[in-house]
Order: sequence, then structure tokens, then C-alpha cells
Amino acid sequence: KQEVTQIPAALSVPEGENLVLNCSFTDSAIYNLQWFRQDPGKGLTSLLLIQSSQREQTSGRLNASLDKSSGRSTLYIAASQPGDSATYLCAVIGSGGSNYKLTFGKGTLLTVNP
Amino acid sequence: SQTIHQWPATLVQPVGSPLSLECTVEGTSNPNLYWYRQAAGRGLQLLFYSVGIGQISSEVPQNLSASRPQDRQFILSSKKLLLSDSGFYLCAWTGGTIGAFFGQGTRLTVV
Repeated sequence: KQEVTQIPAALSVPEGENLVLNCSFTDSAIYNLQWFRQDPGKGLTSLLLIQSSQREQTSGRLNASLDKSSGRSTLYIAASQPGDSATYLCAVIGSGGSNYKLTFGKGTLLTVNP
Repeated sequence: SQTIHQWPATLVQPVGSPLSLECTVEGTSNPNLYWYRQAAGRGLQLLFYSVGIGQISSEVPQNLSASRPQDRQFILSSKKLLLSDSGFYLCAWTGGTIGAFFGQGTRLTVV
């Protein structure tokens, strides 16, 4: 059974700081990995998608990496801003025996202080 | 482009009443569809997923059921709601290499 773990559970940083969010998964048979953002009371917004054959993806101040063999991904946020405050969720889509199952971590609650 | 519609946005239902939440996807065919629940302050719990019409996989025993009567329609139902069914319900779809997309969610309060 695929398990996704996100560390830390919560993070508070001053504005302008660079930060890293971590995600690990137990079954390396994944189709892809996706990072989402969720604002309070809202749905999920996709940030970055990494295919299983890729190592990283970048969008603006965000960079996500994937090491499938070790079951790890990181989301790097550069020059953080108060508007980045949200919960960040990591999800993997399984392949093989767990075809198409979309499994989430519990998220990292990020607070960026002005 | 692909879009996902989920309704209603909010719902207040008495204990013991039935439930029907609907999710439809446009702009794609044969999507994989998912229902998640998020209780207050907690993570996303996968309830059901479907890889085709009439194919439903249930993740946890519960008071809910799901159906997929058409390729792009996914319905979450209950015959009698419990207080513990309160939460934020999210529908999602995935398709090949483009990842997962979510509806805006339904906030269900059972009173």
C-alpha cells in the first residue's frame, strides 16, 4: 500500500527566505508526482507535475525535484512571500499494482510572515 | 480544455437524510475519477476511485457509496447521513500525463 509522508507538518518563515518542503513515498512504482496548494476552505490548485521519467520541474519561484528510486521529492520555494502562505500537498499516482490510485500526504502548512 | 464541475458548493443536511453529490468532467474521455473527503484540520482521505463506467473501488468502509453511470459523471451518495459524514468533499480526475485536477469542493454539514 502506497504511503506518502510530508515533512515538516508546519513551517513558519520570515518573508524573503528560501525554503524546502519534503515528500516521501513508499512504493516507487509511480506514474507521476504532483504538488498542490490549498488555501483555507478552498479546493486544490496544481503547482507542478513531475512525470516518473523526469528529475525536476520549475515554475517561477517554485522548483520540484523527484528521486523515484529513493522515493523522495522536494518542493523548493525561493524568496518566499506572505501570499505563499497555504497548505502544500504532495500526491503520487500509482502504476503497476496500484494503477491510477492518487495518494496524498497530509500536507505542510506554510506561514510566511511579513 | 478540460474542466471539472462539482456541485453544490455548500450543503446542510439533517442526520438520516439522503445525499447525492455530482461531479462531471468536460473536455476529456475515459478519465480516472476520484472522491476525497477532508475533515476539518485533517488530510485528504480517498473514498472512491473509478477507472471506467461501472467500475468503482472503495478505499474505506463507510456510510457512503459511489456510482459512475456515464464516462464523465461520478456520483457520491448516502442513504442516511451521519454526523461523522460532515466534511469537505472533493472530486478529482486524472488523465495520462497531465496530472490531476480538482473540483472546487462541497462543504457538507450534517446537523
